[in-house]
Amino acid sequence: QVQLQESGPGLVKPSQTLSLTCSVSGDSISSGNYYGSWIRQPAGKELEWIGRISTSGSTNYNPSLKSRVIMSADTSKNQFSLTLSAVTAADTAVYYCARWRRSFEDWGRGTLVTVSS
Amino acid sequence: EVVLTQSPATLSLSPGERATLSCRASQSVSSSYLAWYQQKPGQAPRLLIYGAFTRATGTPDRFSGSGSGTDFTLTISRLEPEDFAVYYCQQFGGSPLYSFGQGTKLEIK
Repeated sequence: QVQLQESGPGLVKPSQTLSLTCSVSGDSISSGNYYGSWIRQPAGKELEWIGRISTSGSTNYNPSLKSRVIMSADTSKNQFSLTLSAVTAADTAVYYCARWRRSFEDWGRGTLVTVSS
Repeated sequence: EVVLTQSPATLSLSPGERATLSCRASQSVSSSYLAWYQQKPGQAPRLLIYGAFTRATGTPDRFSGSGSGTDFTLTISRLEPEDFAVYYCQQFGGSPLYSFGQGTKLEIK
């Protein structure tokens, strides 16, 4: 059974960079035809897709966040990562990593990131 | 931009009743890439239906999906107490590449 686990700081100051890692167990991120994605959800609001990375390392980002987002993968650690620069209070949300093939089949439990000074 | 609009925003029903949730897209969406998720408080979303009508592993058969083009429906034939949650539809292939509806909250009447 595939499991995903997000990790990273729970508090980030405005204008700084948010960095999160998704650790995958139960399957290799370099095997299979799936994408790793980041999705976020502000409290009480809907889900917003941030971006995805393929098993070969190619990326696609949400145009609304593209200028601030970088995703990468470390196959040796079976992890993929998110960096979001120049954060503001509007970036406060629960951040989920998820695996997509024909749908978002597997999700991490999510990690709350608060942007505040 | 593909916008998914779910209705109603809130649906109040009793256990044993039938629930019908709607998801309307601002432009045609491939049925192969329309999915439904269930989210309970404090939990991550859970995949229920993919490809518009295919139940994910572990999804009870009281859940069914239908629709095509711009109109999709999630039906729960007989509500169980554990079904009261928020439901999201999601598409792939538009711009942005993935988008979610704003959700329908299914609450106990």
